[in-house]
Amino acid sequence: KQEVTQIPAALSVPEGENLVLNCSFTDSAIYNLQWFRQDPGKGLTSLLLIQSSQREQTSGRLNASLDKSSGRSTLYIAASQPGDSATYLCAVVINTGTASKLTFGTGTRLQVTL
Amino acid sequence: DGGITQSPKYLFRKEGQNVTLSCEQNLNHDAMYWYRQDPGQGLRLIYYSQIVNDFQKGDIAEGYSVSREKKESFPLTVTSAQKNPTAFYLCATKTWGNEQFFGPGTRLTVL
Repeated sequence: KQEVTQIPAALSVPEGENLVLNCSFTDSAIYNLQWFRQDPGKGLTSLLLIQSSQREQTSGRLNASLDKSSGRSTLYIAASQPGDSATYLCAVVINTGTASKLTFGTGTRLQVTL
Repeated sequence: DGGITQSPKYLFRKEGQNVTLSCEQNLNHDAMYWYRQDPGQGLRLIYYSQIVNDFQKGDIAEGYSVSREKKESFPLTVTSAQKNPTAFYLCATKTWGNEQFFGPGTRLTVL
């Protein structure tokens, strides 16, 4: 059974700092990996999708990497801002042949302070 | 304005009552999903549907039911058989490239 772990569970950094969020998964036979952001009481916003054949994806100040062999992904946030404060979730997709299912980590709660 | 809408935003249920959560999308995506989110836990899959008139149980389907009569709509009914329904419910759709998009969620509370 696929398990997804995110460490740390919570992180507080001062504004302007670069930071890395970690995601690990137990089964390397994934189809792709997706990073999300969730603000309190809200739905999930898709940040980046990495296909299994890709090593990284970039969007603005965000860069996500994927190392399937080691079962790891990282989300790099450059020059953090208070507006980046949210919970960040990673999820891996396993293609079962008839459906693609997401398995989620429990998230990293990020606070960026002034 | 494309996207996924969920209603209501907040829902209160009495013991023994069935309630239905609405999910509508205008993204023209075939696949739709229902997840449940509890504090300190990852999202868990309740039901999913790949096409109209077809749906499959997820990991925690007991006490829930769904229908998929239209491509745009995927309502979730929380039945009285669900013993611990208080949670945040999220609806999602999926592109052909397997990217999932989520609605704003419905918070269900049992009184």
